[in-house]
Amino acid sequence: DTGVSQNPRHKITKRGQNVTFRCDPISEHNRLYWYRQTLGQGPEFLTYFQNEAQLEKSRLLSDRFSAERPKGSFSTLEIQRTEQGDSAMYLCASSQETQYFGPGTRLLVL
Amino acid sequence: AQRVTQPEKLLSVFKGAPVELKCNYSYSGSPELFWYVQYSRQRLQLLLRHISRESIKGFTADLNKGETSFHLKKPFAQEEDSAMYYCALSGITAGKSTFGDGTTLTVKP
Repeated sequence: DTGVSQNPRHKITKRGQNVTFRCDPISEHNRLYWYRQTLGQGPEFLTYFQNEAQLEKSRLLSDRFSAERPKGSFSTLEIQRTEQGDSAMYLCASSQETQYFGPGTRLLVL
Repeated sequence: AQRVTQPEKLLSVFKGAPVELKCNYSYSGSPELFWYVQYSRQRLQLLLRHISRESIKGFTADLNKGETSFHLKKPFAQEEDSAMYYCALSGITAGKSTFGDGTTLTVKP
């Protein structure tokens, strides 16, 4: 286990397209988090899972955003009908106590 | 509402000088405070958390509830300390974490 992994690492898409990102947490971690980070800002919380249950969602997570963690292992974050404002780094973290971050997926919406 | 403020975007010191990165927070309750560090081309990683009360890489941070601050300090900065530092806060339930906007520390030779 080499830590939290995220795929893809980079994604370029056209406005209006749907995109899906995957996060594979550290295997024994039951908590999984998604954050969004734009240039010059810190990570902004999007949502949080404990096992397969989505326990908290930010108001930032509009109807176009959906996250799942179907078997309490990997998670996916889908953005429908992407907008230019969705361009950002999407970070995943997992934890038992300490949050360990993945390398992120950088999204560019043209 | 949870909020973390890091007033300095950029901080530059010379090697061997003391360094202090400021962090102020607002939270209605008893928060957990953290410092994360991101070195160039590496992922974000935890540096220290206030409940551990430990020193990591020579850095310490004391939670001051009266001033709602959690400043990060190191008495003698090293060039390898150059990085982006984020202060973060979470509630007791360990769910949502709120991050500041970060301070870029540059330690000059």
